[in-house]
Amino acid sequence: DIVMTQSPDSLAVSLGERATMNCKSSQNVLDNSNNKNYLAWYQQKPGQPPSLLLYWSSTRESGVPDRFIGSGSGTDFTLTISSLQAEDVAVYYCQQYYSLPITFGQGTRLEIK
Amino acid sequence: QVQLVESGGGVVQPGRSLRLSCATSGFIFTNYGMHWVRQAPGKGLEWVAVIWYDGSKTWYADSVKGRFTISRDDSKDSVYLQMASLRADDTAVYYCAGAAAAFIDSWGRGTLVTVSS
Repeated sequence: DIVMTQSPDSLAVSLGERATMNCKSSQNVLDNSNNKNYLAWYQQKPGQPPSLLLYWSSTRESGVPDRFIGSGSGTDFTLTISSLQAEDVAVYYCQQYYSLPITFGQGTRLEIK
Repeated sequence: QVQLVESGGGVVQPGRSLRLSCATSGFIFTNYGMHWVRQAPGKGLEWVAVIWYDGSKTWYADSVKGRFTISRDDSKDSVYLQMASLRADDTAVYYCAGAAAAFIDSWGRGTLVTVSS
């Protein structure tokens, strides 16, 4: 199984500042045949189900603000929120869908400083 | 719009069975692979099972293999999770989730399963 490890576990950032969180996979999730990274990011706000933010490591889901930026390839990935808004308080999960079983990182909790 | 609505959760004794249902609407069900993902209280997300868009294949997490069965009824746009030999560590909110492509793109609100004597 591919193990996903996120860092940090929690993060406090001031409104309007940049928030950066990382995700590392124990195996490569880049498919060289199509040059796609099988990596998604989900946001889970308190009391709500997760929602899809990004897929193929950097493609924003429809309706997701452009302050959410995904980057990375292979085994190392980053989610950046360029200018933190109050509504971004949530837990963020990375997930690989390169191989079954699908696996999630343990989550990064984002709070306002 | 896309809707996934889970039902069937509740309190069940260890060793007993429970069947979860997920009714969907707002998308072409037969184009979607369907997943179950669970979240224990205060914990992270754990993928449980998937059934292919055409029902041809299923796959399970090791933690539930041999105890849980995922199925779908395309005539009802619904997916199910039959859970047997339930244990305390199966206690979680169970989310139904859909995937038009390789990744999960839609989620239900979840149903809580509590395994306790």
